[in-house]
Amino acid sequence: GQQLNQSPQSMFIQEGEDVSMNCTSSSIFNTWLWYKQDPGEGPVLLIALYKAGELTSNGRLTAQFGITRKDSFLNISASIPSDVGIYFCAANFGNEKLTFGTGTRLTIIP
Amino acid sequence: EADIYQTPRYLVIGTGKKITLECSQTMGHDKMYWYQQDPGMELHLIHYSYGVNSTEKGDLSSESTVSRIRTEHFPLTLESARPSHTSQYLCASGSGPGYGYTFGSGTRLTVV
Repeated sequence: GQQLNQSPQSMFIQEGEDVSMNCTSSSIFNTWLWYKQDPGEGPVLLIALYKAGELTSNGRLTAQFGITRKDSFLNISASIPSDVGIYFCAANFGNEKLTFGTGTRLTIIP
Repeated sequence: EADIYQTPRYLVIGTGKKITLECSQTMGHDKMYWYQQDPGMELHLIHYSYGVNSTEKGDLSSESTVSRIRTEHFPLTLESARPSHTSQYLCASGSGPGYGYTFGSGTRLTVV
């Protein structure tokens, strides 16, 4: 089946640093989504991307839909403590189900 | 306020008991989903529904069952709980995967 590989698996950064993570697949997708999950909660949608090459921002978050349609990137600028959590990419090719990535765990070191 | 609700948030139950995890949404979404997730790990789709009286098994085999008698309600049932069922169960709904899903806060199930 379709698989989304996220990297890195985990990140340890200091407050104020910028963060970059990506999601890759061997399959082509029409929609890419990025979610954040706080401990003990369900994932929350951050950004949705619908067109190859699209670059979309949401505050300090910026995500891009890769030109090949097989990958996507998420950047967080000037990280703050509330950015801690697990970030999941998700993608869809027009069928009814989303495929989710393996997740990137972000930890901020004091 | 439109939202998706899961109850209970936490459940500790003995082996062999029957349990039902509740999920309700007020957004009028036709599509609803159940995911199983071990802490900090991947999301695994176990059931989904595209509307009333429609239910399908997901990518991960599960001993649980679901029903969809009303648009807003999508409960999950385990007839006989076992320790291997210990996990977090997340319910989601959406108008279509291209628009993303809205997730509930989850039920953390522990079977002892």
